[in-house]
Amino acid sequence: DAGITQSPRHKVTETGTPVTLRCHQTENHRYMYWYRQDPGHGLRLIHYSYGVKDTDKGEVSDGYSVSRSKTEDFLLTLESATSSQTSVYFCAISESGGWVLHEQFFGPGTRLTVL
Amino acid sequence: KNQVEQSPQSLIILEGKNCTLQCNYTVSPFSNLRWYKQDTGRGPVSLTIMTFSENTKSNGRYTATLDADTKQSSLHITASQLSDSASYICVVSSISTDSWGKLQFGAGTQVVVTP
Repeated sequence: DAGITQSPRHKVTETGTPVTLRCHQTENHRYMYWYRQDPGHGLRLIHYSYGVKDTDKGEVSDGYSVSRSKTEDFLLTLESATSSQTSVYFCAISESGGWVLHEQFFGPGTRLTVL
Repeated sequence: KNQVEQSPQSLIILEGKNCTLQCNYTVSPFSNLRWYKQDTGRGPVSLTIMTFSENTKSNGRYTATLDADTKQSSLHITASQLSDSASYICVVSSISTDSWGKLQFGAGTQVVVTP
């Protein structure tokens, strides 16, 4: 998985609790992304980062926040988890932005269940 | 409406047979098209990346074709193996005035190869 780790790999939590997912890379890539994957849907972008402390929203950002204090770490926080946020979350990295011919490498995913 | 549609949703093929997966897109302006393979419980892994000027690209037993005029792509798997059982995802990138171009993901085609 191209030097990308995600933690935790599995988590079960209750509605209303805060949750933080961590993505760690060893590739020194500038761009990092958080996606969610749900049955019947393609991967959907939540937030992305184009450098330390530089982040922006994706298409499904409501209810999520992110932080990037170091090149290698990108955190995704659910401030108050809801059942609709039950999903598999993938972190991805790339050397450059999506429209340039640089590959996006994906982490192994985190399966989150909100009861 | 998803701008990247894949068909079929799923298919079952016998080991050793060939199969072709389809991807139709409406993303514009077009930058590049990617095919990813996603094994169960893993993150997607890139198979091919094609720009509008490329008609075909191969990666071992995988051959992708692109018709940018009709906005269609296909992924052909030759002499399928049990390890080809996975979800295959078509991803289209558009050129954006932002520093980052949005990737549009198809929902994927689930391929099951049986002995």
